[in-house]
Amino acid sequence: KAGVTQTPRYLIKTRGQQVTLSCSPISGHRSVSWYQQTPGQGLQFLFEYFSETQRNKGNFPGRFSGRQFSNSRSEMNVSTLELGDSALYLCASSPDRGGGELFFGEGSRLTVL
Amino acid sequence: DQQVKQNSPSLSVQEGRISILNCDYTNSMFDYFLWYKKYPAEGPTFLISISSIKDKNEDGRFTVFLNKSAKHLSLHIVPSQPGDSAVYFCAASGIGKTSYDKVIFGPGTSLSVIP
Repeated sequence: KAGVTQTPRYLIKTRGQQVTLSCSPISGHRSVSWYQQTPGQGLQFLFEYFSETQRNKGNFPGRFSGRQFSNSRSEMNVSTLELGDSALYLCASSPDRGGGELFFGEGSRLTVL
Repeated sequence: DQQVKQNSPSLSVQEGRISILNCDYTNSMFDYFLWYKKYPAEGPTFLISISSIKDKNEDGRFTVFLNKSAKHLSLHIVPSQPGDSAVYFCAASGIGKTSYDKVIFGPGTSLSVIP
């Protein structure tokens, strides 16, 4: 069974640009969660989608958004990038709605210059 | 305000000895706790979990202990091996509890096992 796939793995943007990250969950998994990892901050919860609906949202500004498609694939978008948005963005899937074991992808490393 | 805390950013242990990683949580709505391990350039991988109805769960060399009254849990690795060197994240959730049924992670503890 294929794992969680995230694309792109690495990207470099400049301040003010926007970025879209993609996540394909494990086949059969209906929940997708997104996390931001920065040094010393651990994994900060961004949002969770289940059956195309956002179920939970973390404390991030409105520049961070996401969506889920009918095939459970998910995208997250960050608009008007700031230097502080440089981080590893991790996607995780799970068979059912939130709170249980998560299966992570390898992440998308975003650098904002 | 951090709801899941790991107060030791790093820990060094000799190979063969016990590694004890600690975690504290503040929210009494949490009732399911997980530990993840992360190597550089890889995503976190699930290690072991425990429900609040238990106080101990074992899986091979890994044991998690939960003290609900103290809102504290710990992960014991016995014996420690060099391959265990990684960052360990403690996480918590409130399964089935609206707004709490999401996995919240601590900041992580970097474990180094010295051969």
